[in-house]
Amino acid sequence: KNEVEQSPQNLTAQEGEFITINCSYSVGISALHWLQQHPGGGIVSLFMLSSGKKKHGRLIATINIQEKHSSLHITASHPRDSAVYICAAADSNYQLIWGAGTKLIIKP
Amino acid sequence: DTGVSQNPRHKITKRGQNVTFRCDPISEHNRLYWYRQTLGQGPEFLTYFQNEAQLEKSRLLSDRFSAERPKGSFSTLEIQRTEQGDSAMYLCASAASGADTQYFGPGTRLTVL
Repeated sequence: KNEVEQSPQNLTAQEGEFITINCSYSVGISALHWLQQHPGGGIVSLFMLSSGKKKHGRLIATINIQEKHSSLHITASHPRDSAVYICAAADSNYQLIWGAGTKLIIKP
Repeated sequence: DTGVSQNPRHKITKRGQNVTFRCDPISEHNRLYWYRQTLGQGPEFLTYFQNEAQLEKSRLLSDRFSAERPKGSFSTLEIQRTEQGDSAMYLCASAASGADTQYFGPGTRLTVL
């Protein structure tokens, strides 16, 4: 069993739909990261969470420490949101344990 | 540009050759990480520096791999006697002391023929 698991692995949706990507982890963490990687592109850090909820534009990230679960939501999705979204748990040395990623495709 | 930079961006080499990559972190960041990402997979942790000290090395890092950060600023990752399985994107990230957020460089894509 992977220490960080994401679901779904692949997600295709229509423009405008509300998107949810889930992440569960089994390790103790100091923080949880959500990152975005466009095809052929670099990795961009979206959020770093240790509790509660954060919002940036149309992106919302939540974390439940007791349940060891985090979600990334995208409201009013747009084709430019198409990317791989990666959940990564930071251990006490701030090293990242990566999920496998969720490939999101938003169709116009 | 004051972000993390990596050079070269692309490297094509023949099997058996040695290659060296460079990472320049954000200037005030004392922590530096190397990751490797193969096609379709998430990044894998390789090694971690705090200032010039290499504090941890992944079991993935065979003895053909060596990393240095001699003055606690830029870092180099060398792969000796490259193999086709070394073909991957090599990512560098840096972070400030006590901060969780890592800032990633654009990566160096290595192709071993």
